[in-house]
Amino acid sequence: GQQLNQSPQSMFIQEGEDVSMNCTSSSIFNTWLWYKQDPGEGPVLLIALYKAGELTSNGRLTAQFGITRKDSFLNISASIPSDVGIYFCAGYENSGYALNFGKGTSLLVTP
Amino acid sequence: SAVISQKPSRDICQRGTSLTIQCQVDSQVTMMFWYRQQPGQSLTLIATANQGSEATYESGFVIDKFPISRPNLTFSTLTVSNMSPEDSSIYLCSVGSRATDTQYFGPGTRLTVL
Repeated sequence: GQQLNQSPQSMFIQEGEDVSMNCTSSSIFNTWLWYKQDPGEGPVLLIALYKAGELTSNGRLTAQFGITRKDSFLNISASIPSDVGIYFCAGYENSGYALNFGKGTSLLVTP
Repeated sequence: SAVISQKPSRDICQRGTSLTIQCQVDSQVTMMFWYRQQPGQSLTLIATANQGSEATYESGFVIDKFPISRPNLTFSTLTVSNMSPEDSSIYLCSVGSRATDTQYFGPGTRLTVL
């Protein structure tokens, strides 16, 4: 598998602000997944994307499957303190069976 | 999604010993996986736990160091053998479905090796 390029590495924002993070791969993916991991917990699946151009929301979270199939974006609107955690992108290549992960974006939200 | 539990949730072990981590799922699943997450790092796949046959290991991981059992479709174990401080990590099991192309993770086992 490959290590996905995820950015930014960390974000420190104020409550109420919007957040954007993205992930790129060196090859075409057929699935993009976004997870959130709280301290001491396992990653929790937030959003799954299956088609190029697909835009999917889960509450204040919106994610998009890039048109090139080599990238994905996650946006969080009106952030709140409980959004704090590490967000990971992950995905399956067309020809692979292993789930590839990004290095994570650490989000800190101040009240 | 499946409910996944892991035991123990955390442990502190001495160098040279072994620890077996259990993963239990509340429903039958075809695909189970074991990951390692080193401190401050992303997740790395150790192996795919195959029911009724030997696990499939990723590059850099070997059966002697990380033996895996998968006796049925709801349970798997991962043993970390002859531990060293470099094995201090969070170990996570996950279950996957290629039909939906998703994976769900257990809560993890936080291992510290002294």
